Amino acid sequence: GAGVSQSPSNKVTEKGKDVELRCDPISGHTALYWYRQSLGQGLEFLIYFQGNSAPDKSGLPSDRFSAERTGGSVSTLTIQRTQQEDSAVYLCASSSRTGTTDTQYFGPGTRLTVL
Amino acid sequence: AQSVTQLDSHVSVSEGTPVLLRCNYSSSYSPSLFWYVQHPNKGLQLLLKYTSAATLVKGINGFEAEFKKSETSFHLTKPSAHMSDAAEYFCVVSRDNAGNMLTFGGGTRLMVKP
Repeated sequence: GAGVSQSPSNKVTEKGKDVELRCDPISGHTALYWYRQSLGQGLEFLIYFQGNSAPDKSGLPSDRFSAERTGGSVSTLTIQRTQQEDSAVYLCASSSRTGTTDTQYFGPGTRLTVL
Repeated sequence: AQSVTQLDSHVSVSEGTPVLLRCNYSSSYSPSLFWYVQHPNKGLQLLLKYTSAATLVKGINGFEAEFKKSETSFHLTKPSAHMSDAAEYFCVVSRDNAGNMLTFGGGTRLMVKP
């Protein structure tokens, strides 16, 4: 079946502009995660959605970052007033319960470059 | 708090020889542990996971890992490397018992020489 998809695959923007990154999780998965992969910082958790519960935003680096998940499916990560340090690959994952532990399936990522 | 340390940033092996990628973790409870692989310009793919069942976990592509609580280790091994194994490997610990909100190690880049 279809995996996690993300769009765009690449995004180049100018410093100070806003960007939106989209994630389509695997159908039926109740949990959705955003991570960031950057040089020097490795892979960092950003935000987690589970069903209709309030999201866990503990990983968001600043208030310029926000995310929403509409209808329990598609999610959009928004970065306002982008800075050069926001340049990274943004990864989305969704999960289904396998035994007693969720297995997260990752999308191919969106490579964001802030000039 | 949970953390994971991958002891080698780069490992180089010859094709057909064994692979050992080392990982140590710290966790305040019985952790869920994972190994993911990332090939160039590809997404992360789950190799295997440990969830407090058998301590020796078998994954895809001939990889396996052994959970050793006394050593707080979860090393990844493969008896015989293949050229297609060249990639970056991440050891991962979950931040809670349900395997949510993963904490990643710094990654180990595996190079396979012909």
